[in-house]
Amino acid sequence: KNEVEQSPQNLTAQEGEFITINCSYSVGISALHWLQQHPGGGIVSLFMLSSGKKKHGRLIATINIQEKHSSLHITASHPRDSAVYICAGRSGGGADGLTFGKGTHLIIQP
Amino acid sequence: DAGVIQSPRHEVTEMGQEVTLRCKPISGHDYLFWYRQTMMRGLELLIYFNNNVPIDDSGMPEDRFSAKMPNASFSTLKIQPSEPRDSAVYFCASSLGALGEYFGPGTRLTVL
Repeated sequence: KNEVEQSPQNLTAQEGEFITINCSYSVGISALHWLQQHPGGGIVSLFMLSSGKKKHGRLIATINIQEKHSSLHITASHPRDSAVYICAGRSGGGADGLTFGKGTHLIIQP
Repeated sequence: DAGVIQSPRHEVTEMGQEVTLRCKPISGHDYLFWYRQTMMRGLELLIYFNNNVPIDDSGMPEDRFSAKMPNASFSTLKIQPSEPRDSAVYFCASSLGALGEYFGPGTRLTVL
């Protein structure tokens, strides 16, 4: 059974701090997704990774396939980054449904 | 494109009633997923379709749940009879192959 473990569960930081959220996943997962869920409930897909590193604005996602570990970084954090960040894994080479981590509740204080 | 469209956005019903949730995926997408989110269990996959065919329904909790996709632009998730423990937010998502999923706004279901 695919498993995804995320840490920390909750994170509060000051505006401007560098944020790191970690995700470990089980054998069988071949692609990692990072999702953002806003306080209003909507879910947005941030990144999909099967190797290396991706960057979009202040967000950076990395994956280490050997260690089965991925990280999401936020540089120069801002209160509008406050959201729940969810790591999710997909198995195989196709589009099987996602297996989700429990999410990290991030609060950035001004 | 309007994105993934779900209806209704909110549904309040009484235990024992039939509930039907609807989803219109993004045009051209060949995968459609139904997910459920609760405080206790987080997000879980219920079922997904590829080219309108159900591929994996192992996440469907029990026989009270059923899903259909009669054509490429419409899917339903039905609960009959509904129970209070079915209260959750139900998300529909679609994707083109394995290129990443686009989520709908969700349907918040409350069963009294």
